Amino acid sequence: DTVLTQSPALAVSPGERVSISCRASEGVNSYMHWYQQKPGQQPKLLIYKASNLASGVPARFSGSGSGTDFTLTIDPVEADDTATYFCQQSWNDPPTFGGGTKLELK
Amino acid sequence: EVQLVESGGGLVQPGRSMKLSCAASGFTFNNYDMAWVCQAPKKGLEWVATISYDGSSTYYRDSVKGRFTISRDNAKSTLYLQMDSLRSEDTATYYCARRTGSWYFDFWGPGTMVTVSS
Repeated sequence: DTVLTQSPALAVSPGERVSISCRASEGVNSYMHWYQQKPGQQPKLLIYKASNLASGVPARFSGSGSGTDFTLTIDPVEADDTATYFCQQSWNDPPTFGGGTKLELK
Repeated sequence: EVQLVESGGGLVQPGRSMKLSCAASGFTFNNYDMAWVCQAPKKGLEWVATISYDGSSTYYRDSVKGRFTISRDNAKSTLYLQMDSLRSEDTATYYCARRTGSWYFDFWGPGTMVTVSS
């Protein structure tokens, strides 16, 4: 299976820019997607196919990358962005998720 | 508004069975492939199974093949997951999700918790 590696946690101050990385163990073309999960809630789609903003998601969120290295950027970060962010690839079978990056605000 | 609502979770003994349901509304259910994704306590997400829009094709992760069965009733706009021979490692919150053509999941239900324990 394709392993997706994310940093476990980040802490930033409101108003700053934050980049969350996801590295794949093998190429996934542009088929990387990002989700936000707040405590006690279901995941919510943020970015699909590396750089496409999902419907209703603020333009503060953006995605980039291709192949094996991908980044989710939030600029500027707001207090409501406290959550865990997961990447997911769908190029290789089976679809797999990263372990998640917990974003905390200082 | 797209809504997915899971039900059927709870406490079950190892080796026993449980059937989850997911009621869908707000979209044309029989136009979409659907999936189950699970999340063990304090852990990450794992894809479990997918079924095509018409039920003709199903896909499973290796660890549940032969034990879990995904199905759907398009007349009732409902997705199911029959879980047999349950193991402690199946303990998780199970989410119903709508799958897109590019194999990402654009809407998720709130989930139902399954605890496998004696």
